Amino acid sequence: DTGVSQDPRHKITKRGQNVTFRCDPISEHNRLYWYRQTLGQGPEFLTYFQNEAQLEKSRLLSDRFSAERPKGSFSTLEIQRTEQGDSAMYLCASSLWAGDVSYNEQFFGPGTRLTVL
Amino acid sequence: GESVGLHLPTLSVQEGDNSIINCAYSNSASDYFIWYKQESGKGPQFIIDIRSNMDKRQGQRVTVLLNKTVKHLSLQIAATQPGDSAVYFCAETPKTSYDKVIFGPGTSLSVIP
Repeated sequence: DTGVSQDPRHKITKRGQNVTFRCDPISEHNRLYWYRQTLGQGPEFLTYFQNEAQLEKSRLLSDRFSAERPKGSFSTLEIQRTEQGDSAMYLCASSLWAGDVSYNEQFFGPGTRLTVL
Repeated sequence: GESVGLHLPTLSVQEGDNSIINCAYSNSASDYFIWYKQESGKGPQFIIDIRSNMDKRQGQRVTVLLNKTVKHLSLQIAATQPGDSAVYFCAETPKTSYDKVIFGPGTSLSVIP
């Protein structure tokens, strides 16, 4: 399967713990995105990378959240001191940007479902 | 009591009939409008997009219509099949950031065999 993969698929943690999620994009894709989706809602944009550079961050991304893409391939999203309100599906997507000023189709992974007790 | 999530608008159609899913958007500065399909336990899947300089675009069994006057977007699915059952999201991208996809509320489509 050459699609976007995410690990783990499910994570249950206690309030106050730190968690880290991993995303592996489609191999030739240079852009990688993180979204958060709560039950019954559409995904909300969190941040995105071009190669290893983080180009945009949403105001939703509080100081407890940090994302990295150190080698321009896989990415990690860490949440420190988790709160019950962090419970959600965390989705990763990737796209191939060829330098044009237009929308490039984003391919989504299956998501990591986080439950904070 | 505590809310466990919003109830999605739902649409039930008979297999073989055509489906129309509607969406209102608010940002007149958006340039691309996109429809995604999300099946249970999966991430959203791109269906079709339309740029703001167009009013209609067709794909395989799907048509997207854009009415900029009333800020309305619709997705038409021809000959709806059981495999079309899913939640459908409309989304838009602002001209200032084509990578920041802003999703609207979803519609749950159920196909009755």
